[in-house]
Amino acid sequence: DQQVKQNSPSLSVQEGRISILNCDYTNSMFDYFLWYKKYPAEGPTFLISISSIKDKNEDGRFTVFLNKSAKHLSLHIVPSQPGDSAVYFCAASARGSQGNLIFGKGTKLSVKP
Amino acid sequence: KAGVTQTPRYLIKTRGQQVTLSCSPISGHRSVSWYQQTPGQGLQFLFEYFSETQRNKGNFPGRFSGRQFSNSRSEMNVSTLELGDSALYLCASSPGQHPYGYTFGSGTRLTVV
Repeated sequence: DQQVKQNSPSLSVQEGRISILNCDYTNSMFDYFLWYKKYPAEGPTFLISISSIKDKNEDGRFTVFLNKSAKHLSLHIVPSQPGDSAVYFCAASARGSQGNLIFGKGTKLSVKP
Repeated sequence: KAGVTQTPRYLIKTRGQQVTLSCSPISGHRSVSWYQQTPGQGLQFLFEYFSETQRNKGNFPGRFSGRQFSNSRSEMNVSTLELGDSALYLCASSPGQHPYGYTFGSGTRLTVV
């Protein structure tokens, strides 16, 4: 049973527009959420995170929104750039999880020039 | 500041053999987690070590084991290799206290033939 779901396997966006990547979770014990970007045959690169006590966190072009009641989070990238093309993973952790990040299956973002 | 270093980057092994992968965490980080990434299952948690002790373990058979040394470097071992063990193995380090994020290495690509 997937505790973290990214329902869109792929997303295509025009350069300069907004990219919105979505993630749903089922475990109410999750209290920390992270987004990673990954290229093939490389390790995930940390992008941005959010604690469950917040509903928004911004870092440059990246903003993560958390809706706890809906158990939903989203990553907004504005403006999108061709270099943003990669697979994006949403991950969640709970207090006491001791290193166990639960990952979604990823969304492949393609930003077209 | 050096990142997470994994060696070797690539490995080809034969079924039935065993393999040892190495991970050097970021200096000062005491927690090392291991993940397996396959196309079908995505990123799955193997185990986590903190100060030489395994604190958490994922749902993998006993053929998968690990250890951590006093300098926080970690190794994982897979015995009696199966074709299905072919995957990208990733290690991540963190300071060790929730809710810190995790920094990943570039991974070791294991191919079992």
